[in-house]
Amino acid sequence: TQLLEQSPQFLSIQEGENLTVYCNSSSVFSSLQWYRQEPGEGPVLLVTVVTGGEVKKLKRLTFQFGDARKDSSLHITAAQTGDTGLYLCAGAIDSWGKLQFGAGTQVVVTP
Amino acid sequence: DTGVSQDPRHKITKRGQNVTFRCDPISEHNRLYWYRQTLGQGPEFLTYFQNEAQLEKSRLLSDRFSAERPKGSFSTLEIQRTEQGDSAMYLCASSPVKGSGSTDTQYFGPGTRLTVL
Repeated sequence: TQLLEQSPQFLSIQEGENLTVYCNSSSVFSSLQWYRQEPGEGPVLLVTVVTGGEVKKLKRLTFQFGDARKDSSLHITAAQTGDTGLYLCAGAIDSWGKLQFGAGTQVVVTP
Repeated sequence: DTGVSQDPRHKITKRGQNVTFRCDPISEHNRLYWYRQTLGQGPEFLTYFQNEAQLEKSRLLSDRFSAERPKGSFSTLEIQRTEQGDSAMYLCASSPVKGSGSTDTQYFGPGTRLTVL
């Protein structure tokens, strides 16, 4: 079983601070997706990374895919209260796109 | 078409009853996935379809669970003789097939929250 470990499990910061969430595995993934989920809702896609070493930026969010395609990170600059949510990483584990999810990192941004 | 829709959003049932959930994927997305998510965990894969064909079922999907996608459009997930351990959020996702399947992004619906009393 390919496992994705996310760290930290919980992160509480104040508005304006920066944060980084990590997603690690011993297995190689053909692609990796990051989602944000709010209570009672489904995950909302943030980004898909495909190429080892790839860096993608989405406004204040920076996503990095490790060179070996086994790990990824999400960095948020100058966090806002609207960034609060559960951040999930998910790796594609077969050619049909079946996803293996990490347990998530709960981020709380306080004013 | 604004995205994947699921119905109902919430379902409360008594142990032993049968329940059925519906998922309407994004139009022209020929792949459809079902996941289950319990509190504090990420979603876990249950099953998926390519058009109307069910390609794989997780070991999590006991014989009380059945999923269909009769015309390759909407899908239903039925749970028979529900148990308290079935309480979870049931998520549906769809994706197009553009090229290499493993890189096709999955778009999730809002989920159906099931509570078994």
